[in-house]
Amino acid sequence: GQNIDQPTEMTATEGAIVQINCTYQTSGFNGLFWYQQHAGEAPTFLSYNVLDGLEEKGRFSSFLSRSKGYSYLLLKELQMKDSASYLCATMDSNYQLIWGAGTKLIIKP
Amino acid sequence: GAGVSQSPSNKVTEKGKDVELRCDPISGHTALYWYRQSLGQGLEFLIYFQGNSAPDKSGLPSDRFSAERTGGSVSTLTIQRTQQEDSAVYLCASSLARFMKGQAYEQYFGPGTRLTVT
Repeated sequence: GQNIDQPTEMTATEGAIVQINCTYQTSGFNGLFWYQQHAGEAPTFLSYNVLDGLEEKGRFSSFLSRSKGYSYLLLKELQMKDSASYLCATMDSNYQLIWGAGTKLIIKP
Repeated sequence: GAGVSQSPSNKVTEKGKDVELRCDPISGHTALYWYRQSLGQGLEFLIYFQGNSAPDKSGLPSDRFSAERTGGSVSTLTIQRTQQEDSAVYLCASSLARFMKGQAYEQYFGPGTRLTVT
């Protein structure tokens, strides 16, 4: 079956670094997305990885290892506004997006 | 506006009534998706439209749910004989395409419709 696993909740301190992991098992693979969703709001796109390696975008980086079925989102210099849920989603061979349940990130001062 | 819009933003209905939810995608986006999100849960795929092709309805939870997309633009999700378990936020998203030239395209989400069935 198809499955996405990510931690339910994580806590980190303002100014620190946090890594949110995502493991997946899907029928085929056409890339992996990370979205950010603030409470009561719609998800917004953060990153898309289709090749192995690290992609950096300012304070946020996303890593992919296709052989391990693994990705992580790295958030640096955490700010209070980064408190949100982070959703991992993979696209399978039928171009369907399979969504994880999301990781709620709590930032403490 | 440049983004995806949805209406209404909130809908409270009695069990057994029908509801219609509307989505206006970003102009020029050929792909349109409907999702459902219950409190604290991930996104549940409902239906996908791509241009004039037949929609992918594989995520619709029952035959009480249907959707259409007129003229390749506006879409309406209809839920007949609503049940309390239908209560959720219904999100619409659009993208330039689903997958093209070796890459998937990001989806832009609307603000959602919060449906409460009493």
